[in-house]
Amino acid sequence: AQTVTQSQPEMSVQEAETVTLSCTYDTSESNYYLFWYKQPPSRQMILVIRQEAYKQQNATENRFSVNFQKAAKSFSLKISDSQLGDTAMYFCAFMPGGNFGNEKLTFGTGTRLTIIP
Amino acid sequence: DTGVSQDPRHKITKRGQNVTFRCDPISEHNRLYWYRQTLGQGPEFLTYFQNEAQLEKSRLLSDRFSAERPKGSFSTLEIQRTEQGDSAMYLCASSLALGPSLAKNIQYFGAGTRLSVL
Repeated sequence: AQTVTQSQPEMSVQEAETVTLSCTYDTSESNYYLFWYKQPPSRQMILVIRQEAYKQQNATENRFSVNFQKAAKSFSLKISDSQLGDTAMYFCAFMPGGNFGNEKLTFGTGTRLTIIP
Repeated sequence: DTGVSQDPRHKITKRGQNVTFRCDPISEHNRLYWYRQTLGQGPEFLTYFQNEAQLEKSRLLSDRFSAERPKGSFSTLEIQRTEQGDSAMYLCASSLALGPSLAKNIQYFGAGTRLSVL
């Protein structure tokens, strides 16, 4: 079974600053996918960024980037030039690859991020 | 693309009553997932469907829980004889899975149904 750990329950940062959210995971799978989802106060989860484990290049999406360290089983999210709209709960999630059909997500406990004006 | 919709958004019920939630996935999506999220926790997988077939059920899904996707479109999640421990947010997600490509494995979530059992 896989586990996902987010060790920062809450974080806050000034608007326009950079913040990094940490995530570690444990798995025996060799092929898998990692995701960061954002859950704003309205509660609908939105995909922020995704990473395929077999790709060494770190994924980036505009102001969002990840630092994927496969050997260390670490998958941190960096938000640059943070904006008030980034205030949300952020969840790190794991999905096994390999067999077609095994697509359930395992989530961490989340990090509540507050952007301060 | 109207997104994943869930109904109702909120449900308050008394212990022992039965409740049913509905999820309408994104129209062309063949996979549908149910998750449960309790306060302060991340979502936990309950079950998922490929078209109308229920392919996997979590141990969290006790005998009081049943999910259906009769025509491979919308899905219902029923909880019988509700208990206070069933109080949670129930999230539905859908995806288009045609193969092991990452682009097809993205799950899109609905806003959830918040259940309160008194």
